[in-house]
Amino acid sequence: KAGVTQTPRYLIKTRGQQVTLSCSPISGHRSVSWYQQTPGQGLQFLFEYFSETQRNKGNFPGRFSGRQFSNSRSEMNVSTLELGDSALYLCASESTGNSYEQYFGPGTRLTVT
Amino acid sequence: AQSVTQLDSQVPVFEEAPVELRCNYSSSVSVYLFWYVQYPNQGLQLLLKYLSGSTLVKGINGFEAEFNKSQTSFHLRKPSVHISDTAEYFCAVSRAGTASKLTFGTGTRLQVTL
Repeated sequence: KAGVTQTPRYLIKTRGQQVTLSCSPISGHRSVSWYQQTPGQGLQFLFEYFSETQRNKGNFPGRFSGRQFSNSRSEMNVSTLELGDSALYLCASESTGNSYEQYFGPGTRLTVT
Repeated sequence: AQSVTQLDSQVPVFEEAPVELRCNYSSSVSVYLFWYVQYPNQGLQLLLKYLSGSTLVKGINGFEAEFNKSQTSFHLRKPSVHISDTAEYFCAVSRAGTASKLTFGTGTRLQVTL
């Protein structure tokens, strides 16, 4: 079974621009979560989508948004990029049922200049 | 809300020596506990999890952890480490009943040398 895939793996953007990151979960997984990893703040939860609905949300400004499609693929968007948005963005998928295991993708490294 | 404290930012250890990585958590509700490993330029891999039941849980790659409710701890141990165990290790907690919305500790860098 293929793992969680994220595209692109690396991205360089300029302050003020917007960016869209993509995540394809493991086949059959309907829950997708997004996390931001920075040296200063560590790993922080952004949001979770399940069956195209946002189920949980972390404490991030409205510039961070996401969506999930009917095939469970998810995208996250960051508008009006700031230097502090430079981070590794990780996507994780979880199967339905009671496994309670999240499988992480390799991440997208976003650099804002 | 939950919080996680990883007491050691770095742990140096010689190959074949035992190691313990410490994790303490705080929560007003029942929780699930997890340990993840992150190798350079990679995502996170689940090592083991505690949901309920036996307080000693065994994971992949020879790792195990013990849940101690009275001390609110979930320390990770391995009796004999290998060079390939060099990585960043993260303790995480979620509200019981879900594995999403994880709260992570700041991580412990395990450096294994010959």
